[in-house]
Amino acid sequence: DTAVSQTPKYLVTQMGNDKSIKCEQNLGHDTMYWYKQDSKKFLKIMFSYNNKELIINETVPNRFSPKSPDKAHLNLHINSLELGDSAVYFCASSQDGGVSNQPQHFGDGTRLSIL
Amino acid sequence: KQEVTQIPAALSVPEGENLVLNCSFTDSAIYNLQWFRQDPGKGLTSLLLIQSSQREQTSGRLNASLDKSSGRSTLYIAASQPGDSATYLCAVRRGYQKVTFGIGTKLQVIP
Repeated sequence: DTAVSQTPKYLVTQMGNDKSIKCEQNLGHDTMYWYKQDSKKFLKIMFSYNNKELIINETVPNRFSPKSPDKAHLNLHINSLELGDSAVYFCASSQDGGVSNQPQHFGDGTRLSIL
Repeated sequence: KQEVTQIPAALSVPEGENLVLNCSFTDSAIYNLQWFRQDPGKGLTSLLLIQSSQREQTSGRLNASLDKSSGRSTLYIAASQPGDSATYLCAVRRGYQKVTFGIGTKLQVIP
């Protein structure tokens, strides 16, 4: 009965590879997010996706691309992985309805390590 | 640009003590402020959400206050327990993309 689930939990791969992280929420929320938590534990928003509207943080490299097959899923695809991409990636969701006033619910994170 | 600061960075208290965690933000034009806890190797668990029009929210032993004009929020934990040990994060929000987190306060409650 996990609310926001991410897979895989751990991902170890080589520099230059392409990888995807999956996220699913069963809360019926209309907005999903991807966050990156770096080695200093600082959390930064990468993307938000609401009713097919994608809002991208301009600091995110275009090697990162979110893909949403439906309202309950927001996957993160990363091309040409770099050492600096090593971090914990969190998926989150909320029921926003356009007013951004509802709490966000987070998954347990995907720990990505680049060799 | 919104900046969120949490003080102290780490706190160690004996079990049973009441404690206060602080969060300050530079831009008072926010929709809401949310407090989370993060356990090692885990995601974030939402604790309390305060809308910009509210002054406080309570849940069990937790009470969060918001003073938007001064850019401050506090999280009060009553009668602390070892199970409260975690990192506590605050996040201020304005819009879908405008979410800014603090670096967190690492709390240790000693039995």
